[in-house]
Amino acid sequence: SQQGEEDPQALSIQEGENATMNCSYKTSINNLQWYRQNSGRGLVHLILIRSNEREKHSGRLRVTLDTSKKSSSLLITASRAADTASYFCATDRGANSKLTFGKGITLSVRP
Amino acid sequence: GAGVSQSPSNKVTEKGKDVELRCDPISGHTALYWYRQSLGQGLEFLIYFQGNSAPDKSGLPSDRFSAERTGGSVSTLTIQRTQQEDSAVYLCASSFGTAFTYGYTFGSGTRLTVV
Repeated sequence: SQQGEEDPQALSIQEGENATMNCSYKTSINNLQWYRQNSGRGLVHLILIRSNEREKHSGRLRVTLDTSKKSSSLLITASRAADTASYFCATDRGANSKLTFGKGITLSVRP
Repeated sequence: GAGVSQSPSNKVTEKGKDVELRCDPISGHTALYWYRQSLGQGLEFLIYFQGNSAPDKSGLPSDRFSAERTGGSVSTLTIQRTQQEDSAVYLCASSFGTAFTYGYTFGSGTRLTVV
């Protein structure tokens, strides 16, 4: 079953703009992770936020987590054409430690 | 090697044939996962190995699918009597410990096409 649901499904922005992607989930989690997938390649781990954290930063990435709303957002600031990729949220419920992925968001950054 | 290695990168097979997909995880990573990704879809969990524990096979879609991990390292995913709906990218990932603490490192995947 799908645990994480991202929205929007697709996002197109101009280089330099900020990109905000959202993820909602259904059950309680231990942590939530965001991954990036470039076309035809495997996924790359971007950032992990634990259930007791509310916000985390890594370079141009900012992730927030609201466990009361069961939602997370990924903000990419000052986007670049190289940020064009699919982005997935994944939740870890901790019981047996396999991640459950959403269907992903396709981000296009126009130069 | 430095990353998770999967082979072959592409595989075209005839319906009804068996296929074997290989995953070589990062040395020292105790956990290994198999997922598959159909066109434009998210990742569907297949199977998970953690150390010497019995694998979590709860995601395998049918008894045509099986996987083993030898010596706590290399893993092979076998699909018997392949069907067209098995066409997908099969992704392997490994992690040091559990996903609770560390993210996954993915391989580049094997694109399987059943004709």
